[in-house]
Amino acid sequence: DTAVSQTPKYLVTQMGNDKSIKCEQNLGHDTMYWYKQDSKKFLKIMFSYNNKELIINETVPNRFSPKSPDKAHLNLHINSLELGDSAVYFCASSYRGQGNNEQYFGPGTRLTVT
Amino acid sequence: RKEVEQDPGPFNVPEGATVAFNCTYSNSASQSFFWYRQDCRKEPKLLMSVYSSGNEDGRFTAQLNRASQYISLLIRDSKLSDSATYLCVPPGEGGKLIFGQGTELSVKP
Repeated sequence: DTAVSQTPKYLVTQMGNDKSIKCEQNLGHDTMYWYKQDSKKFLKIMFSYNNKELIINETVPNRFSPKSPDKAHLNLHINSLELGDSAVYFCASSYRGQGNNEQYFGPGTRLTVT
Repeated sequence: RKEVEQDPGPFNVPEGATVAFNCTYSNSASQSFFWYRQDCRKEPKLLMSVYSSGNEDGRFTAQLNRASQYISLLIRDSKLSDSATYLCVPPGEGGKLIFGQGTELSVKP
C-alpha cells in the first residue's frame, strides 16, 4: 500500500516540451506539497495546497502550474521545459489539522531535459 | 545566519560507534523540528519529530536547545543500514519545511 505515489518515476524529454507529473496520497491528509531537489541536493518547496487551496507559492517560474482536483491529488504541469528544470521532483503530504505538519514524501520523479 | 545549517559531512564511522550531528536554525519562533533521512536517489523519510526539549527512539536521540537555536541527533551503536544523509528540518511559514544540505553518514564494517 503506497502512501504517497507519483507518476511517472522517470521522465526524459526535450527542451520546449510540456509535461505533467501526478501525485496521489491515501493517508487522508489535507495538505500536499511539491518540492524540487536539484543536483546540489537541496530540497526546496515550490507549492503547497491545503484542501485544494493554494497556500504556498514560492518564487517559481510561471511555466510551472500546480493543480489540485481534490485533497488526495496534486499535479504539476510544466510548460516549455528548459535544461535547468532537470531535477528530482518530490510530492509530499501532511495533516495540518494536527498542528505538527509531519510530511511524508513520494518516491520522486526524476526529470531529465535534453 | 542561514535558515538552517548542519555539520558538513561526510562522517565516516565504524559499526557500533556513536555519532552526533548538529544543526542550527535562525527562526526563533520554530516550535517543532524534524529529522529526516535520505538514502541515495530516494525520498526523504521522517526519522524523528521533536516538539519539546527532545525525543528518543531506540538508538536515536534528538535534543533541542531553544536558547541557542540548536538541535542535535545522536545515533548510538551505528549500523551499516544507518548510512544515509540526515536532514535537520525546521518548519517555515505556511507549513513548508526548510531543508538544509544535510549531513552524510557512512558506517563502515
